[in-house]
Amino acid sequence: SAVISQKPSRDICQRGTSLTIQCQVDSQVTMMFWYRQQPGQSLTLIATANQGSEATYESGFVIDKFPISRPNLTFSTLTVSNMSPEDSSIYLCSVGTTGDSNQPQHFGDGTRLSIL
Amino acid sequence: GENVEQHPSTLSVQEGDSAVIKCTYSDSASNYFPWYKQELGKGPQLIIDIRSNVGEKKDQRIAVTLNKTAKHFSLHITETQPEDSAVYFCAASIRDMRFGAGTRLTVKP
Repeated sequence: SAVISQKPSRDICQRGTSLTIQCQVDSQVTMMFWYRQQPGQSLTLIATANQGSEATYESGFVIDKFPISRPNLTFSTLTVSNMSPEDSSIYLCSVGTTGDSNQPQHFGDGTRLSIL
Repeated sequence: GENVEQHPSTLSVQEGDSAVIKCTYSDSASNYFPWYKQELGKGPQLIIDIRSNVGEKKDQRIAVTLNKTAKHFSLHITETQPEDSAVYFCAASIRDMRFGAGTRLTVKP
């Protein structure tokens, strides 16, 4: 399966600042997704990163707070904007290798974000 | 939208025993059901999956069963080992994937 690298692996940030998380895949993939996993909780889909067009956001997540880029088939970024302590979470990138949403997704190891 | 419930939230077994984790889903249109294992400090790793046209799938010590009528599916781990200790997530998918709350499995040596 695809090898997924996320950067940074962890960070501690001040409230009111923004952080951009990078997701790099070692092969071209059709689908890329961004999830949030709050401490001790399950995974919640933030958005689907679409290559060449705007991301598709899930209910409760907006582009102004979580802008996403996907310039090509191997790379995506998620920015967490104007951070508050409630944004302290693990942010995970996942990929699917076919165009079917009902397919295995493979995850990176995540970015552990703490907001002071 | 789809709602996935997972039980139990924690499970402790003795090495060599079997472990069973159960999930129910709400949308009968869901047709793909993966299971993920997440170790501390790592991302979720796909361990087994099943599609709605199959009732059971097995891979060595791991098996998954699906009951479409009852809308539930289960993960079975036999001959558990300490390295099976992790958090396990089920998921159900139609258009996108919805995850259960997770089960923390501890295998005592």
